[in-house]
Amino acid sequence: GAVVSQHPSRVICKSGTSVKIECRSLDFQATTMFWYRQFPKQSLMLMATSNEGSKATYEQGVEKDKFLINHASLTLSTLTVTSAHPEDSSFYICSARDPLSGGDNEQFFGPGTRLTVL
Amino acid sequence: GENVEQHPSTLSVQEGDSAVIKCTYSDSASNYFPWYKQELGKGPQLIIDIRSNVGEKKDQRIAVTLNKTAKHFSLHITETQPEDSAVYFCAASILDMRFGAGTRLTVKP
Repeated sequence: GAVVSQHPSRVICKSGTSVKIECRSLDFQATTMFWYRQFPKQSLMLMATSNEGSKATYEQGVEKDKFLINHASLTLSTLTVTSAHPEDSSFYICSARDPLSGGDNEQFFGPGTRLTVL
Repeated sequence: GENVEQHPSTLSVQEGDSAVIKCTYSDSASNYFPWYKQELGKGPQLIIDIRSNVGEKKDQRIAVTLNKTAKHFSLHITETQPEDSAVYFCAASILDMRFGAGTRLTVKP
């Protein structure tokens, strides 16, 4: 149980284009999902917290107009990187919280999406 | 906000030896402390976790200890195997999760 998927697993795009990454909870309903960014040889940095049916909460320094998050259903959150630039190239990882897992703050992580902006 | 420090950044051990990774946290309200293993190009995989009402937890070759007073927790891997080689992250959580910088563990056969 508690499986989280991401799509695509890797994407290459041209500078200035927008890219959408999907995060799905496959066998549970996730009221809260999280988006992280991980640069090479670095740790995971929380970008934003996505709550179903409401606006995402962004961490300090993360541009909400550049990283659009939509959590329209209990099993799907999307991250859209708008007007992507080479410095946005990174590994984007989502996670989801299962409210029925018995632990209030346990998170289940997706496999990540490697974004390369040329 | 929460700040998590992790040491060492790299650790190399001989197969069969034990490996210990240590983390400290700053926010005494944190109540959940997971450890993740991340292999190259993959998402983090939960290997063990501990909650603030427990001092120690063990799962086969892996154990975690928590000292709430000192605000530190440690991961212990015994009888290491080459397949244990990966990057390990600790994290501390109240509602959202903050990660340590990671430890690259190499187990030499």
